[in-house]
Amino acid sequence: KAGVTQTPRYLIKTRGQQVTLSCSPISGHRSVSWYQQTPGQGLQFLFEYFSETQRNKGNFPGRFSGRQFSNSRSEMNVSTLELGDSALYLCASGTSGGDTGELFFGEGSRLTVL
Amino acid sequence: AQSVSQHNHHVILSEAASLELGCNYSYGGTVNLFWYVQYPGQHLQLLLKYFSGDPLVKGIKGFEAEFIKSKFSFNLRKPSVQWSDTAEYFCAVNEGGRRALTFGSGTRLQVQP
Repeated sequence: KAGVTQTPRYLIKTRGQQVTLSCSPISGHRSVSWYQQTPGQGLQFLFEYFSETQRNKGNFPGRFSGRQFSNSRSEMNVSTLELGDSALYLCASGTSGGDTGELFFGEGSRLTVL
Repeated sequence: AQSVSQHNHHVILSEAASLELGCNYSYGGTVNLFWYVQYPGQHLQLLLKYFSGDPLVKGIKGFEAEFIKSKFSFNLRKPSVQWSDTAEYFCAVNEGGRRALTFGSGTRLQVQP
């Protein structure tokens, strides 16, 4: 069974640009979550999608957005990039159970903003 | 907002030593508790989880954790560590039913052969 796939793995952008990251969940998983990991702030929850609907949202500015497609694949977008957006962005997929169940994480997309 | 504290940022042990990593959380309601591990160069993976029932939970690779509700704690233990346990360990919590994890800052464990 293939794991969570994130693309691109590495990217470099400049301030003011925008970026789109992609995540393909494990087959059959309908929940996709996004997390930001930085040395200073650690792992922080961005948002979670289930069946194309945003179900939970973390405390990030509106420049951070996401969406989920009918095949459960998800994208997140960051507009007007700032230096502080440099981070490892992790995607996690899970089943649709009433409890959280287990989250399966991808290897992440490492974004560097210059 | 809930928070998670991991008091040990960097732990160095010799092989066969016992391990206990502390985790405390702030949320007073129903919570689900997790320990995740990130081995060097690998992605985060689940070690163990607690939802309800027996407060002593067992996970993979000989790890266990005890949920003590009165202390808001969920400490991770292993009786005898191995060099292959070298990794970063994250405690995480979510409010019951809400799929949004709050992570601790992580503990880097280094096991010396």
